[in-house]
Amino acid sequence: DGGITQSPKYLFRKEGQNVTLSCEQNLNHDAMYWYRQDPGQGLRLIYYSQIVNDFQKGDIAEGYSVSREKKESFPLTVTSAQKNPTAFYLCVAVDTSPGNTIYFGEGSWLTVV
Amino acid sequence: AQSVTQLDSQVPVFEEAPVELRCNYSSSVSVYLFWYVQYPNQGLQLLLKYLSGSTLVKGINGFEAEFNKSQTSFHLRKPSVHISDTAEYFCAVRPTGGGNKLTFGTGTQLKVEL
Repeated sequence: DGGITQSPKYLFRKEGQNVTLSCEQNLNHDAMYWYRQDPGQGLRLIYYSQIVNDFQKGDIAEGYSVSREKKESFPLTVTSAQKNPTAFYLCVAVDTSPGNTIYFGEGSWLTVV
Repeated sequence: AQSVTQLDSQVPVFEEAPVELRCNYSSSVSVYLFWYVQYPNQGLQLLLKYLSGSTLVKGINGFEAEFNKSQTSFHLRKPSVHISDTAEYFCAVRPTGGGNKLTFGTGTQLKVEL
C-alpha cells in the first residue's frame, strides 16, 4: 500500500542538539509539507516542497531546515535555534491531480528536555 | 498571503441539535477547500472537499459545507449531531493554480453533550 512513513514516532533530545525527523513517501507525489501541531494552534506550516531540489518556507520556518534531494524523501531538521521545539510534527503529501487527495503521516512526537 | 480563520475554538452543543462550524479564508487566488476531522488520539480524516462545481458539498457522517465565494467562507454544518461527533475539526485551503501552499485553520473543538 502507498503511504507516508515518518520516523521516529517518539524522540527525546537534550536542549541545544539538532534533530532530524524522517519522512518517506511511496506515493510518487511531488508536493510534500511539514507541519507542527500544538494544542489550540492547529497545524502550522513549517516548510513545503513542490519538486525535487526546491522548497519554500512556510509560516513558522525559523529554527527549522529541510532538504528535498529525492522525490520520496523530505527530512526535517529541528535546529538548536528553534526556541520551542517540543511538539508533534506531521508530514503530508498531496496528490496535485484534480482529486487533490491529501495524505498524512502518523506523526513524530519530539520532546526536548 | 493565504490564511484560514476558524473563529470558534470550541463549540458545545447538545446531542441531536444542529451545528455550524465556521471557516473563513483569505487568498489572492482561487482555492480548493477542505474539512478534516481529528478524533481523540487519531490522525486527520477527510470529511469533505470543494474542488469545483456545486457549492454545496456533502461529506461523510452527515456533514455538509457550502462554499460562498463572495464571503470567502466554507462553513461546515450538520443538522443533528451525535456524541460520536465530538472531535476537533480543521478547515484547510490550497491554491488551484501554482504554489501548492496548503494552509490549515487553528481548529474547532466540537463537544457534543447529552
